[in-house]
Amino acid sequence: EVQLVESGGGLVHPGGSLRLSCEASGFSLNSYPMNWVRQGPGKGLEWVSHISTTRNTIYYADSVKGRFTVSRDSARNSVNLQMNSLRVEDTAVYYCARAGPYMDVWGQGTTVTVSS
Amino acid sequence: EIVLTQSPATLSLTPGERVTLSCRASQSVSNYLAWYQQRPGQAPRLLIYDASNRATGIPARFSGSGSGTDFTLTISSLESEDFAVYYCHQRSNWPSTFGGGTKIEIK
Repeated sequence: EVQLVESGGGLVHPGGSLRLSCEASGFSLNSYPMNWVRQGPGKGLEWVSHISTTRNTIYYADSVKGRFTVSRDSARNSVNLQMNSLRVEDTAVYYCARAGPYMDVWGQGTTVTVSS
Repeated sequence: EIVLTQSPATLSLTPGERVTLSCRASQSVSNYLAWYQQRPGQAPRLLIYDASNRATGIPARFSGSGSGTDFTLTISSLESEDFAVYYCHQRSNWPSTFGGGTKIEIK
């Protein structure tokens, strides 16, 4: 079964850091571009980041640029999102999604709460 | 940044009704537009890609049309499982963007 599973969410203070991971099963994540998308409480979807298969192309939303870093771990068939300098407004469910080129496979999401 | 505006924000409908959702882009996205469905507590699901192509396993009652700046998603006859939030999404230009969503609720 084709599946994505996110992990690494939790409660963090403003200014803190978290590292999210997205692991794939049933397919090689290395063969697909990947996106991170988030959804704040009661809000709509917000695209966060994109990484190409070769890592040559990486994009970020302006709201996270300079604070978040997306990367691949080929050995673990995973994609990571390093989130630094977290703000209250980063509180959301974070989804990883396969971008082939549209987001046809999504994880169940991991919740990040930024609060003092 | 391309802004996608969805209308209406909310629709109150009954099963069996036909519904058309609108998504308007602030500039042309060609046909690089998708529609996603999100049920409460679930991840989004791809319905339509490239404006008019149904994704794998999506029932034929869902159809998409449009190009450039104006797009529609039509559900020919609402089923109970279709009451959800629908988002349009463009991948024409970075940053990729989503519309604000249309919620279809039971009347």
